[in-house]
Amino acid sequence: DVKVTQSSRYLVKRTGEKVFLECVQDMDHENMFWYRQDPGLGLRLIYFSYDVKMKEKGDIPEGYSVSREKKERFSLILESASTNQTSMYLCASSPRGVLADTQYFGPGTRLTVL
Amino acid sequence: GNSVTQMEGPVTLSEEAFLTINCTYTATGYPSLFWYVQYPGEGLQLLLKATKADDKGSNKGFEATYRKETTSFHLEKGSVQVSDSAVYFCASLGDYKLSFGAGTTVTVRA
Repeated sequence: DVKVTQSSRYLVKRTGEKVFLECVQDMDHENMFWYRQDPGLGLRLIYFSYDVKMKEKGDIPEGYSVSREKKERFSLILESASTNQTSMYLCASSPRGVLADTQYFGPGTRLTVL
Repeated sequence: GNSVTQMEGPVTLSEEAFLTINCTYTATGYPSLFWYVQYPGEGLQLLLKATKADDKGSNKGFEATYRKETTSFHLEKGSVQVSDSAVYFCASLGDYKLSFGAGTTVTVRA
């Protein structure tokens, strides 16, 4: 089974802190994604990466950056956390090619910024 | 770009009732369409998908048919169980990116 793990289930940070959310997948997938999930808004794509050291902005990249130094790991960085970044963050991965349409999700990190 | 609109919830049903969640999409071309489900405390998992017009996706008693004429992909289940209580998301795929609907919370009472 594909497994996508995220470093924390729950995280509480203070305004202005630098926050790192880590995601690791064990299926050698090329594509990785970060979403945030908010009630009534569904999932919105923050960033995605289709290869090591490659990244593309999603729909809401402002206030975030990402890092992909190894194929299995995709990190989301909040340079200076703000209260409006309180949300559920979901990581996903997918293979390249004909199976690329199915994304596998991690359990999520619920981030609270005070 | 692609977008998806799905029926707002929450939806509360009794066990063995019929469930329908409406979903419509806008896109250039014919994107692949998906239903993802999120059980309490878990991440999303793929429930079913359809990749072209008139395809029917099915899994765990759920079905959805890709209707090009009405740009719809409604989710149905004939007899729900308490274990079907979850949030359901409709999604369409364009350029490796999934566009999600807002999600519909379904609660099934025993």
